[in-house]
Amino acid sequence: DAGVTQSPTHLIKTRGQQVTLRCSPKSGHDTVSWYQQALGQGPQFIFQYYEEEERQRGNFPDRFSGHQFPNYSSELNVNALLLGDSALYLCASSLQGAFSGANVLTFGAGSRLTVL
Amino acid sequence: QKEVEQDPGPLSVPEGAIVSLNCTYSNSAFQYFMWYRQYSRKGPELLMYTYSSGNKEDGRFTAQVDKSSKYISLFIRDSQPSDSATYLCAFHTGGFKTIFGAGTRLFVKA
Repeated sequence: DAGVTQSPTHLIKTRGQQVTLRCSPKSGHDTVSWYQQALGQGPQFIFQYYEEEERQRGNFPDRFSGHQFPNYSSELNVNALLLGDSALYLCASSLQGAFSGANVLTFGAGSRLTVL
Repeated sequence: QKEVEQDPGPLSVPEGAIVSLNCTYSNSAFQYFMWYRQYSRKGPELLMYTYSSGNKEDGRFTAQVDKSSKYISLFIRDSQPSDSATYLCAFHTGGFKTIFGAGTRLFVKA
């Protein structure tokens, strides 16, 4: 049973460029959340997608946008990259409708973005 | 005041030691209390979660929640080198986002 898969695993961009990160959720999961993890920090919530709609957004600017497709996969887009956007971007999937009160997350290994 | 406080360590212990990891929080709306483990170059994985105050045990791991003090702990008995990782406390109000601590790096020496 495949878990959460993310691509690419590593990428290097320059300031001002745009980046798209991709995520396939765990089989059977329908909800995708994106987190940013800076070096030495815990993951910070960016947003969550369910039924192709953004349900909640964390404290991130509009340069961060996303999309969920009918097959539940998701993309995270970041425009006008800044040096401070360098981080590990984690995708996490979960199942809405089960006992999801705790929003138990299954994470991928992440996409490490370096902005030069 | 930060919503979640977690000592980043690093914490270094000999194999077989009992490890105590702790977090404090300020948000009374937190209802679910979780611990995730993150190995180097991997995503976090859920270790344990609990809803109420008290203890919950799973093998060598015990999670403890004290809502009155807004304090949670994770104890690891008979620690092994394979337990070397970053441990993240995490909290949830029942909404859509999970709030993580900064993580404590643990090293278990053989």
